[in-house]
Amino acid sequence: GENVEQHPSTLSVQEGDSAVIKCTYSDSASNYFPWYKQELGKRPQLIIDIRSNVGEKKDQRIAVTLNKTAKHFSLHITETQPEDSAVYFCAASRNDYKLSFGAGTTVTVRA
Amino acid sequence: EAGVVQSPRYKIIEKKQPVAFWCNPISGHNTLYWYRQNLGQGPELLIRYENEEAVDDSQLPKDRFSAERLKGVDSTLKIQPAELGDSAVYLCASSFGGRGYTFGSGTRLTVV
Repeated sequence: GENVEQHPSTLSVQEGDSAVIKCTYSDSASNYFPWYKQELGKRPQLIIDIRSNVGEKKDQRIAVTLNKTAKHFSLHITETQPEDSAVYFCAASRNDYKLSFGAGTTVTVRA
Repeated sequence: EAGVVQSPRYKIIEKKQPVAFWCNPISGHNTLYWYRQNLGQGPELLIRYENEEAVDDSQLPKDRFSAERLKGVDSTLKIQPAELGDSAVYLCASSFGGRGYTFGSGTRLTVV
């Protein structure tokens, strides 16, 4: 099955700086890569996703890049704000149905 | 729209007792998923339903876990008997043909 590895496990950044989270996947047939944000005690919420026919996607301060050849994808958050503090999960899927998640990255934005 | 509704939010039970979780998906979503999220980890799929049919239950520990989705709408996940290692957050999600994937708030189970 799919194996998704995520790094780093924790990330502390100064407010206004950028944050980058990286994930690798094992199944070359995976074609859908969503990113979820989960605040303490709350549900995972989709913040951005990318499909394998696209190399980069941006939504305001959030961007995701995908390198199919290397089988890795990354989340970039620019101009971080305190409300960006949360756990972020990457995931990969070959058919939009079964999502295989990384272990998560706890992001702390220091004011 | 109410979103994916789960109950209860929290459950504490003694080991060897049974427990059940309930999920009501977003109206019109034909696909329903149950995930388990252990502390400090990402969610792992237990079972996926297409309407009332379980189409992927390869990760469900069938000796003690069971699920049903009668009438293809809401669903129940049961554990009998519960073990200490079952302590986790059980998340339900729904989608329409794989799109609009939305998670519920989960049920946090503590087995003591």
